[in-house]
Amino acid sequence: EAQVTQNPRYLITVTGKKLTVTCSQNMNHEYMSWYRQDPGLGLRQIYYSMNVEVTDKGDVPEGYKVSRKEKRNFPLILESPSPNQTSLYFCASSKPGPHTQYFGPGTRLTVL
Amino acid sequence: QQPVQSPQAVILREGEDAVINCSSSKALYSVHWYRQKHGEAPVFLMILLKGGEQKGHEKISASFNEKKQQSSLYLTASQLSYSGTYFCGTVPQGGSEKLVFGKGTKLTVNP
Repeated sequence: EAQVTQNPRYLITVTGKKLTVTCSQNMNHEYMSWYRQDPGLGLRQIYYSMNVEVTDKGDVPEGYKVSRKEKRNFPLILESPSPNQTSLYFCASSKPGPHTQYFGPGTRLTVL
Repeated sequence: QQPVQSPQAVILREGEDAVINCSSSKALYSVHWYRQKHGEAPVFLMILLKGGEQKGHEKISASFNEKKQQSSLYLTASQLSYSGTYFCGTVPQGGSEKLVFGKGTKLTVNP
């Protein structure tokens, strides 16, 4: 089954404790993105990657890191999480160009 | 630049119609529409690529006015299953493939 998976689905952590949210897709897509969703603000892109070893900042990259060492994986790293990073995070993948983005199920992160 | 969606919210009775608008300050290459139900991931509805293009998915259709840099999503004879938040995403002309989403329009369909 074609899908995007994220782990963990729910995470409660404390300020400053490094964490990684994993994202994996099995559709051989070149393009992957991370979004955060906050009430009233819609989906805002954090980082995106057009292929292995090619990443670029989205609209809200501060406080986040990403890496793309393999085509299927695109982890999101929070080196020192802060409460303002409490949010719902989605990973998505697609082919290059104007194609459907497939979203993962989401990760709800709470930073205390 | 985030596209602007209107209205922010709309409440319908089953069987009524609704229009959701999406406008951009930039010339657009494509417009994407997604629907998100509460607690779930956004799900793709359709992509519009050319000015004046219209597409349809059951009783949901959309148009893209390239000159006005806007798109509209039309929901006719709404069903309870249409409830959710609708997002438009836009890709500007000029080579960047970056998709930017609007803030969403919450649609509630009541019996």
